[in-house]
Amino acid sequence: QQQVKQSPQSLIVQKGGISIINCAYENTAFDYFPWYQQFPGKGPALLIAIRPDVSEKKEGRFTISFNKSAKQFSLHIMDSQPGDSATYFCAANFFIRDNYGQNFVFGPGTRLSVLP
Amino acid sequence: EAQVTQNPRYLITVTGKKLTVTCSQNMNHEYMSWYRQDPGLGLRQIYYSMNVEVTDKGDVPEGYKVSRKEKRNFPLILESPSPNQTSLYFCASSLRGGDEQYFGPGTRLTVT
Repeated sequence: QQQVKQSPQSLIVQKGGISIINCAYENTAFDYFPWYQQFPGKGPALLIAIRPDVSEKKEGRFTISFNKSAKQFSLHIMDSQPGDSATYFCAANFFIRDNYGQNFVFGPGTRLSVLP
Repeated sequence: EAQVTQNPRYLITVTGKKLTVTCSQNMNHEYMSWYRQDPGLGLRQIYYSMNVEVTDKGDVPEGYKVSRKEKRNFPLILESPSPNQTSLYFCASSLRGGDEQYFGPGTRLTVT
């Protein structure tokens, strides 16, 4: 119930194309869904995030689509560029306010390669 | 510059030899966390701390210890490392729990 499933494991896209990465979760207590981007030799960095009160969030070429009833969310990268080549992780989190805790779960990652 | 630093960046050690990986942040963040990253498994949370002297287990705490005596520091301790703890470790911090996390550069640990 704590898992976040992510697909595909790897993705190859031509420059200018659309990259789509999908994630699914089971725990309905999750209330924060970030996407992280990781370049080789670096730590993950927040790319974009969404909370379940909206169905879509767009920041530049990056869009999160969120389907609460299906418990799925996806990352769309429009006009993909070679500089977008990285590993992308979806994640889910819920903040347990009563006992001052937090549960943060990451998907296994998608390695994106954008061909020039 | 706002950042999370980890030391060492690379470490090769032998089974059973106690080690500490340090983590420090200069953003006055309340929340800090440790993750390990393994191929095909993504990042898994080891321990987290909501504030000074407040720590709790994540999903994979076995074989690890942490302490949070100061707000800026959150060291990860392996009392008796084993080969299955060979991994890439990341420290992260956020202003509060549930906020954007900032990750350190990672520590690659090899236990032989």
